[in-house]
Amino acid sequence: DIQMTQSPSSLSASVGDRVTITCQASQDISNYLNWYQQKPGKAPKLLIYDASNLETGVPSRFSGSGSGTDFTFTISSLQPEDIATYYCQQYDNLPSTTFGQGTRLEIK
Amino acid sequence: QVQLVESGGGVVQPGRSLRLSCAASGFTFRSYGMHWVRQAPGKGLEWVAVISYDGTKKYYGDSVKGRFTISRDNSKNTLYLQMNSLRAEDTAVYYCAKVKGIYSSSPFHLDYWGQGTLVTVSS
Repeated sequence: DIQMTQSPSSLSASVGDRVTITCQASQDISNYLNWYQQKPGKAPKLLIYDASNLETGVPSRFSGSGSGTDFTFTISSLQPEDIATYYCQQYDNLPSTTFGQGTRLEIK
Repeated sequence: QVQLVESGGGVVQPGRSLRLSCAASGFTFRSYGMHWVRQAPGKGLEWVAVISYDGTKKYYGDSVKGRFTISRDNSKNTLYLQMNSLRAEDTAVYYCAKVKGIYSSSPFHLDYWGQGTLVTVSS
């Protein structure tokens, strides 16, 4: 099974900060990685697909990069509404998928 | 607009069964694959199962294989999850989610999610 290691597990940043979350796969998954945002008490929302493609309607301050085993999710300028838990998801070993353990983002 | 509404959750004893439903609207349901994903209280996301747009292909996560069955009724725009031999570790909010790509395209990009239904397995 492919393991996804997301880090950090939590972080605190100030409004306007650049925030970076990483996700490392236990083996090469090409660009088969998505990123989701889950606000407290809400369902997850797709932000980035295929490692670097911005989902329609998602603000451009969100971005993703990487391929192979190492991936990065970035918020260029943190906004108060970005408070959420962020998950990566790999889908290399079809027909199954696994999520990272999540990164909880708080405002300082 | 796309709407997914789960129902059928509740409290159930270990070893018993429960069936979840997900009513879909706002898109051509019969053209899209669908997933179930669950989240234990205070924990992360765990993929449960996927079904193809036409219901011919079904795949499951290891933790539910042999106990859960995913199905769909395209005439009713409804997705189902039959859960048998329930265990305490199945306690979670269960979300249905729509695949982004039509037919078999991008089968693991989940672009719309319901609000979830809570299943509690306890004696």
